[in-house]
Amino acid sequence: GNSVTQMEGPVTLSEEAFLTINCTYTATGYPSLFWYVQYPGEGLQLLLKATKADDKGSNKGFEATYRKETTSFHLEKGSVQVSDSAVYFCALSGTASKLTFGTGTRLQVTL
Amino acid sequence: KAGVTQTPRYLIKTRGQQVTLSCSPISGHRSVSWYQQTPGQGLQFLFEYFSETQRNKGNFPGRFSGRQFSNSRSEMNVSTLELGDSALYLCASSLRGGQGYNEQFFGPGTRLTVL
Repeated sequence: GNSVTQMEGPVTLSEEAFLTINCTYTATGYPSLFWYVQYPGEGLQLLLKATKADDKGSNKGFEATYRKETTSFHLEKGSVQVSDSAVYFCALSGTASKLTFGTGTRLQVTL
Repeated sequence: KAGVTQTPRYLIKTRGQQVTLSCSPISGHRSVSWYQQTPGQGLQFLFEYFSETQRNKGNFPGRFSGRQFSNSRSEMNVSTLELGDSALYLCASSLRGGQGYNEQFFGPGTRLTVL
């Protein structure tokens, strides 16, 4: 079946540092890939998406590239802010529309 | 356009009781999916409804059920509650359901505590 593996957290960074959160997946066919963000006490917000190989999703300074050869979709941001502190989930959608999520990575950004 | 709304936001029940959670999708969206989020198991898919029909189902016992109404609003029911059912229950809506890519928009969730 489908699965998503993402790096364990928490990740603690100073403001303006570079962020990478690794995500790899296992799926049959050609899944769509997503990054969702969850702020404390809230639901999930779609951060970015990519629907085919080599697509780059981007939003609010975050980027991720769909790499089929390495089955990866790593999240990056060049300069994080305190307001980026949240839990980040990598997810995929395969032949059925349900989402399969990774375990989540907590990001804490300090001044 | 209003987002996905879920009611109630918080709920406390005791073991053995049953509970019903409600989800109103974004206007025009016809598909509703439910997910359970716990610290131990993470985010797990419960089921998806489209046009009042269950289209996909996750690996949950029969105590978990749902339905969708003609206006696309959905309810999920959990009978004979167990302590392990304590979780954040998230609802997501999308334009259509079934196979293929459908961008899902999540509600704020219902926090269920079972004592």
